[in-house]
Amino acid sequence: SYELTQPPSVSVSPGQTARVTCSGDALPKQYAYWYQQKSGQAPVLVIYKDSERPSGIPERFSGSSSGTTVTLTISGVQAEDEADYYCQSVDSNGTSYVFGTGTKVTV
Amino acid sequence: EVQLVQSGAEVKKPGESLKISCQSSGSSLTNYWIAWVRQMPGQGLEWMGIIYPGDSDTKYSPSFKGQVTISADKSISTAYLQWSSLKASDTAIYYCATLHCTSTSCLSGFDYWGQGTLVTVSS
Repeated sequence: SYELTQPPSVSVSPGQTARVTCSGDALPKQYAYWYQQKSGQAPVLVIYKDSERPSGIPERFSGSSSGTTVTLTISGVQAEDEADYYCQSVDSNGTSYVFGTGTKVTV
Repeated sequence: EVQLVQSGAEVKKPGESLKISCQSSGSSLTNYWIAWVRQMPGQGLEWMGIIYPGDSDTKYSPSFKGQVTISADKSISTAYLQWSSLKASDTAIYYCATLHCTSTSCLSGFDYWGQGTLVTVSS
């Protein structure tokens, strides 16, 4: 089955830049999405279609894509950004959705 | 704006059946698909399946096909996830989430989420 691979953890100091990567073979042809999940809460969509930001999401969240890797960048990290982050996409056939393994961002 | 309200926490015994729900408000349930996502204790998110309540078209993850049943009643804007025989390994939080689609593509991502339903299966 299709898999999306993320680093287990990323640690960053307040005000610095955090980058979370996600790798998958189908990413060159399928969009990626990013979700933030704070402890005890439901996930929240923070990036869609690789780099678009939903309304209400701070500008410090951005996304990019290069080949089989997509990246979520949090610029000027704040303490409130500490959370688990998951990428999500679909398989090459577009029939099955998949989440990445998840990355814990510690501030 | 869509709001999804899920049914409350459940405690069940192995072998029992269960049906949990996800009710939508703020927009017609026929304007989007509803996905179900599992999160086992301390683990990541797993896509289980998705349904279009307008015509009940349903797709399952290979990992969950035959293990659960996804259904919907568009007349009451509600989607369901059910088990016929629960196992201890079904203990998890289950989320529903919307996926908005046009006639040609579904590119919104899972944009609105329910609050989650905790299902505990223990003897």
